[in-house]
Amino acid sequence: NAGVTQTPKFQVLKTGQSMTLQCAQDMNHEYMSWYRQDPGMGLRLIHYSVGAGITDQGEVPNGYNVSRSTTEDFPLRLLSAAPSQTSVYFCASSPYGGGDNEQFFGPGTRLTVL
Amino acid sequence: DAKTTQPPSMDCAEGRAANLPCNHSTISGNEYVYWYRQIHSQGPQYIIHGLKNNETNEMASLIITEDRKSSTLILPHATLRDTAVYYCIVRVVAGNQFYFGTGTSLTVIP
Repeated sequence: NAGVTQTPKFQVLKTGQSMTLQCAQDMNHEYMSWYRQDPGMGLRLIHYSVGAGITDQGEVPNGYNVSRSTTEDFPLRLLSAAPSQTSVYFCASSPYGGGDNEQFFGPGTRLTVL
Repeated sequence: DAKTTQPPSMDCAEGRAANLPCNHSTISGNEYVYWYRQIHSQGPQYIIHGLKNNETNEMASLIITEDRKSSTLILPHATLRDTAVYYCIVRVVAGNQFYFGTGTSLTVIP
């Protein structure tokens, strides 16, 4: 299994541009989520999904959209990039939501918005 | 979800046990305690989790106090590769959100 994969690894955008961060998992996990991590900070939840067709907001959802058309993929869309969205983005998956299972994290996408 | 409190940094001598404390005084009966670590800027790595009882796996031990208001992660024989930021998290059984906090930066010293 490849686990959780993310593309691209690095991205530079100009203010106002849009883009999609890709996340895929091959473990047949129901639960997937997106986090952002700013320098010196912990991870903050952006959006999550408990299964195909179901998404919900996390702690910091503004400026981001998600969809979950398949179990495997959970893309994160930046609608109009802003410098405040410069961060490292992590995707994670787990067999299901709830407290008794671990999350597996991808390697991250490092995004810079100029 | 309940919040956690951890010391911002700790040092540990190589080969000694590293004991990382976490306070979660507002934890509810249906909330698990999780520990993750993050090495450099890699994705967080799961270490261990528990509800009431102490837990042990190949990486670490988790000691949860009887009142569940605090816990300690124990790395029995710390190595240089254990230098990382360690996050203590509580998560409800039926909850979908995970709050990481700022963690403890552990430095293992040769």
